[in-house]
Amino acid sequence: GAVVSQHPSRVICKSGTSVKIECRSLDFQATTMFWYRQFPKQSLMLMATSNEGSKATYEQGVEKDKFLINHASLTLSTLTVTSAHPEDSSFYICSARGSRWEQYFGPGTRLTVT
Amino acid sequence: KNEVEQSPQNLTAQEGEFITINCSYSVGISALHWLQQHPGGGIVSLFMLSSGKKKHGRLIATINIQEKHSSLHITASHPRDSAVYICAGTPPLDSNYQLIWGAGTKLIIKP
Repeated sequence: GAVVSQHPSRVICKSGTSVKIECRSLDFQATTMFWYRQFPKQSLMLMATSNEGSKATYEQGVEKDKFLINHASLTLSTLTVTSAHPEDSSFYICSARGSRWEQYFGPGTRLTVT
Repeated sequence: KNEVEQSPQNLTAQEGEFITINCSYSVGISALHWLQQHPGGGIVSLFMLSSGKKKHGRLIATINIQEKHSSLHITASHPRDSAVYICAGTPPLDSNYQLIWGAGTKLIIKP
């Protein structure tokens, strides 16, 4: 089946620094990628929808300037958490949409901000 | 009322038991996903189906479009099946195909 990778899988950073998370579709072209956030023992929350070559669409309550999303190619989307704070510590998951309605999920990135 | 509802919310069973998790949806969907998430882990897509039945190993997923209901079955359950199972629907008219999530079912299989 289709594979989506995320890098890094875990990252620890200091408060105030920025962290970039990559999401790659390895064997298919993904015109749309989704970024989710998950707090412990809670459901996934959609943060933004990213279409290749255009600006991301953010969900209500998600700060665009804090969570920068770049979908530069059909196989790569990046999420940059700028000026990270401890409350940004979370599990970030991306998914990529294939040719129709299929969605494939990345393994997730656990961010810890100290 | 959520557009996608799962039951049960929590399920504990003994190893070897036959497991059924149900998912009902109140909106039109083009496809339904069954997903698995182990504690602290990422999400794995188990099935994507728009009609009928699919089988993969000990896992079986069925969907009844008319009744707007899907089930995930696990045969000969094993402790490694312990995870959260989530169903999610893809709405047909949404060009970005944002999923509509169920709340998840936490499954614990005891040895």
